[in-house]
Amino acid sequence: IAGITQAPTSQILAAGRRMTLRCTQDMRHNAMYWYRQDLGLGLRLIHYSNTAGTTGKGEVPDGYSVSRANTDDFPLTLASAVPSQTSVYFCASKRDILTGELFFGEGSRLTVL
Amino acid sequence: GESVGLHLPTLSVQEGDNSIINCAYSNSASDYFIWYKQESGKGPQFIIDIRSNMDKRQGQRVTVLLNKTVKHLSLQIAATQPGDSAVYFCAENSGGTSYGKLTFGQGTILTVHP
Repeated sequence: IAGITQAPTSQILAAGRRMTLRCTQDMRHNAMYWYRQDLGLGLRLIHYSNTAGTTGKGEVPDGYSVSRANTDDFPLTLASAVPSQTSVYFCASKRDILTGELFFGEGSRLTVL
Repeated sequence: GESVGLHLPTLSVQEGDNSIINCAYSNSASDYFIWYKQESGKGPQFIIDIRSNMDKRQGQRVTVLLNKTVKHLSLQIAATQPGDSAVYFCAENSGGTSYGKLTFGQGTILTVHP
């Protein structure tokens, strides 16, 4: 079934450790996004990529980095995790920036101790 | 409706009733709006969208109403079913011509009782 695959689904991480959340889509969508979801704050955009080879900062980019080497993959890296990065992370994609409908993955729950 | 804070608005309805979920958006320049449904433990799913040149759009059992004068959006679900129980988010496009930069509301919890 076509869609977005995120890994890991859940992870407990010690503060200061480096962590990469993986995201792969098989829909050949040009645009990809990373959101974090926290209770009461909704979904907030971390980073985005309008097309392979380009990335941009969202609303809450500090402490995170992304890369977009190809169309399918959009990993999110926490260089040195802090407890405030405990959250559920969602990767999303859409065909291109001119369309509205975002397709979301199932999320990665990250706990930083 | 949705609001800032740690406690999500909730709506409880009986199966078969109509549900109305409200959302106040912040940016008067926003030109595109979407409703998403999120079930427990899953990612958000697209329900319906509307552009700012419209004030109403209908889908299957759902209707979205847009009032730009008061910056208000609503989602109406007809004949609500237990499977409609979820958190519902409105989102607005405030990123100009790029429809990627959606700003999401905090969500409303809908509970449907059999």
